Amino acid sequence: EIVMTQSPATLSVSPGERATLSCRASQSVTTNLAWYQQKPGQAPRLLIYGASTRATGIPARFSGSGSGTEFTLTISSLESEDFAVYHCQQYANWKTFGQGTKVEVK
Amino acid sequence: QVQLQESGPGLVKPSQTLSLTCTVSGGSISSGGYYWSWIRQQPGKGLEWIGYIYYTGSAYYNPSLKSRVTISVDTSKNQFSLNLSSVTAADTAVYYCARDARSIDPWGQGTLVTVSS
Repeated sequence: EIVMTQSPATLSVSPGERATLSCRASQSVTTNLAWYQQKPGQAPRLLIYGASTRATGIPARFSGSGSGTEFTLTISSLESEDFAVYHCQQYANWKTFGQGTKVEVK
Repeated sequence: QVQLQESGPGLVKPSQTLSLTCTVSGGSISSGGYYWSWIRQQPGKGLEWIGYIYYTGSAYYNPSLKSRVTISVDTSKNQFSLNLSSVTAADTAVYYCARDARSIDPWGQGTLVTVSS
């Protein structure tokens, strides 16, 4: 099983600031990596697939990068609706998710 | 656009079988091109992929749950279903159904299933 490790567990950021979230895979997943946003009481929403392609309707302030085992999700300027939990997921070998990073208001 | 809705009992007794159904609207499961997945989220934990099925009936399961999981599809009703046998308290979770194109989108709203006597 490919283990996905996200860091940090919690990220405290002020509105308007940049947020950088990390996701590491225990073995290479090339670019078979997706990011999801989840708000309390809601289902996850796809943000990024293929490590760097924004899903339909996702604002340009969200960007993904990386390949192999190291990946980054960047939110360039945090808006109030961006405070949420973010999950990474690999789909190179079945599917596994990271434990999530909570982005909270500083 | 495609929407998914989970349905089924919210309470299941230990050792029994958890059964959920996902109804797809706004698109046909039979059109192909996508798998249809079940994912769960235990309280305070991350997401766990349970398995998926193609409209032909070919199903694939998470190896860690394979011995207890069956996913089936009913194309006439545009539904797919999850059965998880021999449940314990550790199976208490929010269960989501979703369309799967390797990345997963969209998701149903989720349904909480509690395992308790």
